[in-house]
Amino acid sequence: DGGITQSPKYLFRKEGQNVTLSCEQNLNHDAMYWYRQDPGQGLRLIYYSQIVNDFQKGDIAEGYSVSREKKESFPLTVTSAQKNPTAFYLCASIDPRPGEKQEAFFGQGTRLTVV
Amino acid sequence: AQKVTQAQTEISVVEKEDVTLDCVYETRDTTYYLFWYKQPPSGELVFLIRRNSFDEQNEISGRYSWNFQKSTSSFNFTITASQVVDSAVYFCALSEWRSSASKIIFGSGTRLSIRP
Repeated sequence: DGGITQSPKYLFRKEGQNVTLSCEQNLNHDAMYWYRQDPGQGLRLIYYSQIVNDFQKGDIAEGYSVSREKKESFPLTVTSAQKNPTAFYLCASIDPRPGEKQEAFFGQGTRLTVV
Repeated sequence: AQKVTQAQTEISVVEKEDVTLDCVYETRDTTYYLFWYKQPPSGELVFLIRRNSFDEQNEISGRYSWNFQKSTSSFNFTITASQVVDSAVYFCALSEWRSSASKIIFGSGTRLSIRP
């Protein structure tokens, strides 16, 4: 079955360490997104990518980095520069072609806790 | 700039009551899409519906219905005869579609609790 896989589901890291969250999709979607969700809050856009080797900053990109070397993969690195990294991270992908369903498919999320 | 406002932070109703979740959006584009997603306690977002800006027809899917009104920039979601399983956080989202990169912007969500 096609879908988006985020791993791991739970992640613990020490303060000051970089950590990379994985996001893989086999839906053949061009566009991929990373969102952050804090308790009781909505989703805020960190980075998004429309094609391989290209990505744009979202609304809260500071302290994060991404890469898009393959269509299927869009890993997110939470760097030590991110002042409050503990949150729930969601990855999404979408087929942006006009006329396509344009439903954003989401992974199950990674809950990152920095101690 | 895009913006999605869900003014209702939390709603609690008794089972079998009808409930409407409000969504108001802002955009300067003439072509855009609106979405509703459900987030159960597990955390994964579940797609409910997509509407494009050219289609103002209301839609009904079982106990769910959506009322899209461009004149008031609203895309409200109604659950009829609510059930305990409807308890979740519901998000409204907006996407402006262009030839280049597009953002999907979410509202802050409405936490819906259905009491038995």
